[in-house]
This record gives sequence, structure tokens and C-alpha cells, in this order.
Amino acid sequence: AQKVTQAQTEISVVEKEDVTLDCVYETRDTTYYLFWYKQPPSGELVFLIRRNSFDEQNEISGRYSWNFQKSTSSFNFTITASQVVDSAVYFCALSGPSLKTSYDKVIFGPGTSLSVIP
Amino acid sequence: ETGVTQSPTHLIKTRGQQVTLRCSSQSGHNTVSWYQQALGQGPQFIFQYYREEENGRGNFPPRFSGLQFPNYSSELNVNALELDDSALYLCASSLAEASGYTDTQYFGPGTRLTVL
Repeated sequence: AQKVTQAQTEISVVEKEDVTLDCVYETRDTTYYLFWYKQPPSGELVFLIRRNSFDEQNEISGRYSWNFQKSTSSFNFTITASQVVDSAVYFCALSGPSLKTSYDKVIFGPGTSLSVIP
Repeated sequence: ETGVTQSPTHLIKTRGQQVTLRCSSQSGHNTVSWYQQALGQGPQFIFQYYREEENGRGNFPPRFSGLQFPNYSSELNVNALELDDSALYLCASSLAEASGYTDTQYFGPGTRLTVL
């Protein structure tokens, strides 16, 4: 079964601090995709990053970076120098391989609510 | 913005009624997925449509049904509404290629359904 766990329910940081959001996943698939989405108060889910299971290279994109470790089934997400506009609920998500006989559903974690205080 | 639109924005219904929610996919996308997000929870997969056919379904009863049209837009229909159906309903579009590869799902702003 596929499952995504985000142990941090709520996090508060002061502006300009760095913050890391934790994500642990479970899957039996050898090929899978991991995502981070952001949901501001407006409600729309905003796609941030996508990683496939064969690419453990960690990257930095602007103020965002992520740490993917298959050995611990973790896909953590870091925001550097946080800003008030980063305040939102962040979802880690998992999807299986996209095969012709399968379908591509995304399994979401429960979310972490991030508050950045000015 | 993703280019995925949903209507209406908000809707209030009473228990037992029926509701239809609409979604227009992003240009170039051929797959639409629907999700239900209860307050304070992550989105839950309802079903996915690809080439006008249901291509997978989550743990939702048959009173949740859908359609996909030739222009890839989609409808979600819910019959015999229950109080627990109150939620944000999100539509996501993506591109599925003949090879089986499916790109990232991009979400619309959602429809907030309240059942009284």
C-alpha cells in the first residue's frame, strides 16, 4: 500500500529563518514519483517540485531545496530565508508508475501548516 | 496560474440533492483527475478520466460519477448528497502520453461544496 506521512502538523518560524518540512513515504513500487505542493489560504494547490525514484540527486531551486533519500524513504523540503508569503499548507505526495494498464493517482500526506511570522 | 479552471467557486446544497461540478483542463492536457479535500486533510483521489473513460477510481461510492468530454473538460456528479460530502473538490489535469508516461498533475482552484 502507498502512504505518505508528514509528522509535523504545524510549524511557526520567524521571517528569514530556514525551515525544513519532513516527509516519509511507503510504497512497494520500484518506480514512483514524489512531489511537493503548496496550498495557500486561497485553496489552490500549487505544484512546487517533482522527483522520480531513480534520481536521488538533491537540488536547489531558488529558496527551495529538497533532500531525497531512498534508504530512509524520506523526501524532505527546505525553504531558505523564509518569507511571509511562504505561509501555507505544504503537502508531500506520491504517485506510482504510469503504465498503460494503470492510472496515475496521487497520494497526499496530511499536510504541514507553515506560518512565517514577520 | 495553471490554466485549470473550475466552476462554480462555491455551492450550497441540502442533503439528498444532486450536484454537478465542472472542470476545464489546461491546454494540451488529456487527463483529468478529481480529488476531495475535507477540512484540515490532504486531498483524496476520487477518480481519473483519460480519453473520455474512467481510468481508475479511489474509495468512493458509485453515487460519485463523472464524465470527460472530447475537449477533455470534465464533470463530477454527486447524487444523494450527504453531510460528509462537504469539502473542497479539486480537479487536476495532466498529459498522458502513448508511452504510458504521465506528466505532473496541475490543480484548479477548487469548488467549495457545503451540504446542509
